[in-house]
Amino acid sequence: GAVVSQHPSWVICKSGTSVKIECRSLDFQATTMFWYRQFPKQSLMLMATSNEGSKATYEQGVEKDKFLINHASLTLSTLTVTSAHPEDSSFYICSAPRGRDEKLFFGSGTQLSVL
Amino acid sequence: GENVEQHPSTLSVQEGDSAVIKCTYSDSASNYFPWYKQELGKRPQLIIDIRSNVGEKKDQRIAVTLNKTAKHFSLHITETQPEDSAVYFCAARANNLFFGTGTRLTVIP
Repeated sequence: GAVVSQHPSWVICKSGTSVKIECRSLDFQATTMFWYRQFPKQSLMLMATSNEGSKATYEQGVEKDKFLINHASLTLSTLTVTSAHPEDSSFYICSAPRGRDEKLFFGSGTQLSVL
Repeated sequence: GENVEQHPSTLSVQEGDSAVIKCTYSDSASNYFPWYKQELGKRPQLIIDIRSNVGEKKDQRIAVTLNKTAKHFSLHITETQPEDSAVYFCAARANNLFFGTGTRLTVIP
């Protein structure tokens, strides 16, 4: 079964509104979680690394004020897309490393459509 | 940072034939190389991985080879089946995990 839960699976919102996406590790603690963005037929692009108890680390070119990340607990990280624009429409997916060898497990993804 | 290249972008094979997908990486510090299978609209699923202290790993019909000197690694799927049709991503990790551009594999019945 799934070891990482992500909600919602899809969301439609109006331009200018904010959308929050949750990523939860199930039955294990994750001090680090990763957020990716995936455009249709393209690869997963790392947006940021979410760190429990400290600030997220953003990849170059990712606006931290637009994509707010909060690692609220050892099992929950949230990504908030603020003041959403149509160009923010994409598939967002989180992942968390599990186990001593830190194998990466993915959430089911969130398809965001901004009208 | 790490740069992972993946080829081919699309691959069609007849059922029962083998499929090979190749990736190269740039960061010599990368030491972990997983492969993921992603079906349309779904999460990537880890199918096999290899670490830099190993040259080859096999799991039933799937095998991965790693050439650290040349900085390339490959996925081999034998006896392909229609359910193998999906997008496959390679990845390399030194600190963070970076993905290749993906290969859309189609297995023709």
